[in-house]
Amino acid sequence: SAVISQKPSRDICQRGTSLTIQCQVDSQVTMMFWYRQQPGQSLTLIATANQGSEATYESGFVIDKFPISRPNLTFSTLTVSNMSPEDSSIYLCSVVGPEGYEQYFGPGTRLTVT
Amino acid sequence: DQQVKQNSPSLSVQEGRISILNCDYTNSMFDYFLWYKKYPAEGPTFLISISSIKDKNEDGRFTVFLNKSAKHLSLHIVPSQPGDSAVYFCAASARNYGQNFVFGPGTRLSVLP
Repeated sequence: SAVISQKPSRDICQRGTSLTIQCQVDSQVTMMFWYRQQPGQSLTLIATANQGSEATYESGFVIDKFPISRPNLTFSTLTVSNMSPEDSSIYLCSVVGPEGYEQYFGPGTRLTVT
Repeated sequence: DQQVKQNSPSLSVQEGRISILNCDYTNSMFDYFLWYKKYPAEGPTFLISISSIKDKNEDGRFTVFLNKSAKHLSLHIVPSQPGDSAVYFCAASARNYGQNFVFGPGTRLSVLP
């Protein structure tokens, strides 16, 4: 499986500011995904990021709030903009495994907004 | 409307016994199912998967059973070990409709020594 790293691992941010989360994969992958896990909740897909095209956002998530970059096949960023306490979550990136169906996850970024 | 349900938020099992985690789904388009394990402060780890053309898949101590008519799957862990204590997520996808996974709410398994 791919080795995935995320930066930062955690952060505490002020309301109204923005945070950019980085996701680095040790191999080239076509599709990368960004998820959110709110406290006590399951994982919810935010968007799918393909290299060379605009990210595809799920219902309830918009580009202005969660802009995504995918400059190459091993890297992606997710920005959480104009943060509010409701954005306090764990943010995870994932990639599709070699079989084409499994997804492998990074360690997550724990964000707390005060 | 939850498309993937895990009705037991928590489960406690004695070490060495069998752990059975259940998952139900509502969308008949789902044709691929996965189980993930998540420890605190880590990302989910892929455990085992099953395609809708099968009714059982086994990998070491982990076996997943699929009952398509009941839209139900279960993960059996035997024998359970204290290191299995984690939150287990069931996930489903409709492969012809992309790689999007729908995750259940998770079940917290505690294996007692």
